[in-house]
Amino acid sequence: DAGVIQSPRHEVTEMGQEVTLRCKPISGHDYLFWYRQTMMRGLELLIYFNNNVPIDDSGMPEDRFSAKMPNASFSTLKIQPSEPRDSAVYFCASSLLGKENIQYFGAGTRLSVL
Amino acid sequence: AQKVTQAQTEISVVEKEDVTLDCVYETRDTTYYLFWYKQPPSGELVFLIRRNSFDEQNEISGRYSWNFQKSTSSFNFTITASQVVDSAVYFCALSADNFNKFYFGSGTKLNVKP
Repeated sequence: DAGVIQSPRHEVTEMGQEVTLRCKPISGHDYLFWYRQTMMRGLELLIYFNNNVPIDDSGMPEDRFSAKMPNASFSTLKIQPSEPRDSAVYFCASSLLGKENIQYFGAGTRLSVL
Repeated sequence: AQKVTQAQTEISVVEKEDVTLDCVYETRDTTYYLFWYKQPPSGELVFLIRRNSFDEQNEISGRYSWNFQKSTSSFNFTITASQVVDSAVYFCALSADNFNKFYFGSGTKLNVKP
């Protein structure tokens, strides 16, 4: 079975540009999570969805960050405009609550904002 | 409040040594789940184990074993006869009141030298 798929794996952009990260969760999973990992702050939950509906976005750092889940098999995390302090690894994870409650992570997107 | 502490920032061992990674958690909930994830140098987060609060049995999987002790709020992870491929950052995580929200520790970097 395919795991969580994220694209791109690496993104280098210049300050002020729009960045879009993409995620395809495991088929059948009803929860999707976006995390950010930095050396200083570790793994931070940004937002999560249940059945495509955002449930908790309290971890989204600023209005420059937005996330959508238009259908059960696709989600995006957008940063506009990007800033150097947004440089981090962004992970997407999915889970099936009620059965395992295990979050399965994608390979991550390493974002560098110059 | 939910919290996970991994006091060992980095551990170095020589191949074939046994090593234990410590995890201490805090929660007031009686029902909770504990997890271990591995993050190898390639960057992805790999699920290793989930344990619920009602099951204090130790678990062994090959060279890996986990010791869950509610009395000390600990969920320690032991690798027996370590190998170079075990080199990674290991994260302990807790989910409690909201089983969708994972509280991750800061991780322990394990270096296994040949």
